[in-house]
Amino acid sequence: QAVVTQEPSLTVSPGGTVTLTCGSSTGPVTSGHYPYWFQQKPGQAPRTLIYDTTKKHSWTPARFSGSLLGGKAALTLSGAQPEDEAEYHCLLSYSGARLWVFGGGTKLTVL
Amino acid sequence: EVQLVESGGGLVQPGGSLRLSCAASGFTVGSNYMTWVRRAPGRGLEWVSIIYSGENIYYADSVMGRFTISRDNSRNTLFLQMNSLRVEDTAVYYCAGGEISVVHIFDYWGQGTLVTVSS
Repeated sequence: QAVVTQEPSLTVSPGGTVTLTCGSSTGPVTSGHYPYWFQQKPGQAPRTLIYDTTKKHSWTPARFSGSLLGGKAALTLSGAQPEDEAEYHCLLSYSGARLWVFGGGTKLTVL
Repeated sequence: EVQLVESGGGLVQPGGSLRLSCAASGFTVGSNYMTWVRRAPGRGLEWVSIIYSGENIYYADSVMGRFTISRDNSRNTLFLQMNSLRVEDTAVYYCAGGEISVVHIFDYWGQGTLVTVSS
């Protein structure tokens, strides 16, 4: 079964920019994996930030953006705010959407 | 406003069974794609199961043969029947759903229900 990898932890300064990545053990991540990015804070349900690699929901702050970067899916946060401190999870689709695999999550600290 | 509300979690002994429910409002379970995701203590999110239209259903290897996803359109509710439960099934279980498109499956989330498998 595919393994999806994320940085375990990252730190960004307030107002700074950080990029989180999401790789696949099966090869380059493409749009065909339908990459999702979720934000989860302690005690809360996940919230979808990015879907279909780059698309945002109406509730997604403009400072978040999704892309493909160097064979991985990427989530870039530009202008980090204290409230962005959370865990971020990526999700990829495999086998014609018969299988979905989450990454291990990235704990982002804004400090 | 879309709301998904899970219920049915609790403490169960290894080998036991539980049925989780996910009641929807502002959203039609039978007309959309629905999925279950869990988060075990100290671990990341894990996808569990998904039900597409036409009753196309898929499971993670870790629950195949033990868990069954289903929905009752008349009650606008999604279910997860969990049998032969193991200690490692202990987790908060979330339901999620979205319109009929693979890029919208995870648009909406419930608040989660805790399942604890312990003797």
